[in-house]
Order: sequence, then structure tokens, then C-alpha cells
Amino acid sequence: AQSVSQHNHHVILSEAASLELGCNYSYGGTVNLFWYVQYPGQHLQLLLKYFSGDPLVKGIKGFEAEFIKSKFSFNLRKPSVQWSDTAEYFCAVNQYNNNDMRFGAGTRLTVKP
Amino acid sequence: NAGVTQTPKFQVLKTGQSMTLQCAQDMNHNSMYWYRQDPGMGLRLIYYSASEGTTDKGEVPNGYNVSRLNKREFSLRLESAAPSQTSVYFCASSSPGQAIDTEAFFGQGTRLTVV
Repeated sequence: AQSVSQHNHHVILSEAASLELGCNYSYGGTVNLFWYVQYPGQHLQLLLKYFSGDPLVKGIKGFEAEFIKSKFSFNLRKPSVQWSDTAEYFCAVNQYNNNDMRFGAGTRLTVKP
Repeated sequence: NAGVTQTPKFQVLKTGQSMTLQCAQDMNHNSMYWYRQDPGMGLRLIYYSASEGTTDKGEVPNGYNVSRLNKREFSLRLESAAPSQTSVYFCASSSPGQAIDTEAFFGQGTRLTVV
């Protein structure tokens, strides 16, 4: 069955530390890839997305993600985190032109000031 | 432009009661979704609708029914609520295949407690 795996359940960092959150998926074929963020008490918002082209995608708030097709991975990175990045982060995948969008279990990021 | 609107925001039900969660989107999206979010399990797809008049089961459809009333509205019904359905429910919409809108836009969520 198609699935999305996020390796880290809870990550705790100090401000200015670098961040990398892992995401792997099990779909074959062409995929669309997404990272969403959910701040405490809020709904999910899109951070960035990949459809095609340059596998290094830049999103809002200094986040970026790299699509590595051979590894079925789409890891999220940020060089220097801020306290305001404290949130839950979800990786999501759907196959191109497919309505079934699946999410990973999420990674809770806590940034200590 | 409201995006995706869900009602109600909060609800408490007794076991066995029924209720319908409402969702409407004003972005002219073809596809709509219902997810539930539980701690440590991320978002799990309950049902989705690829277009008006069609619905399909997702990962966890048991205990739920849906109706795609028109292109704008997609409702989720719990016929006989159970404590295991205590969760936060999110509605979303998108237009897969169109690069601009293919990501899902989410509503604010409904926090449902079944006692």
C-alpha cells in the first residue's frame, strides 16, 4: 500500500541550529510532493511543493526541500531555525493527477529560545 | 475569499448520536477531502471526492458517510458516533493535475469529542 514515512516524531533544537526532517514515500511513478506546517491551534498551511524540474525546492520562511527520486525521499531543511518555527510538520504525497493525497505521521519541532 | 470553511468548530456528542460536519470551498476546486488528525498518526484520509457526484473511500472510512452535494460542498456524517471517533477533522480541497492548485487547502478543523 502507498505510504509516507516521517522518521522523526519529535525534534528539539536551539535557535540558530540547522534543521533536517526526513520524509520517504512508497509510491511509484510520477508524484507531487508537499510539506505542510501546522502551528499550534491552527490548520495546515503549505510550506513548499514539488511537481517537476529542479529537485531543490525553496518555500516560505527560509525552508527548502530536496527531492531525491532514487531514494524516494523529500527531506525538509532550514539552515537556521527560529523560535517561531515551533510547529508540527507534515510531508504529503500524491501521484500526478490522483486525488488520493496521503500524509506522514508528522514531526513535532520544538525550538528553544 | 474565504477558502475552505468548516462548521462547527467544536462539538461534543454522546455515544450513538449522529451528526454532520459541513464543508464548503469557494476556490472552484474539483476535489475535496475529509481527514482526521490524531496524535502520533498524522492526517488519515477518510473519504475524498474527485468531482461533483463521485466519492471514494480513503484509509479509514468505517463509521462515516459523505455527500458531495455540489462542487462547493462536501459533508461528512457520523451515523452513530463512537468514542474512537474523537478526533480533529479537517476538510480540504484541491484540483489535482493543475500545477497551481494541486496542493490541498485546509479548513480550520472541527474538534469532535464523543463521550
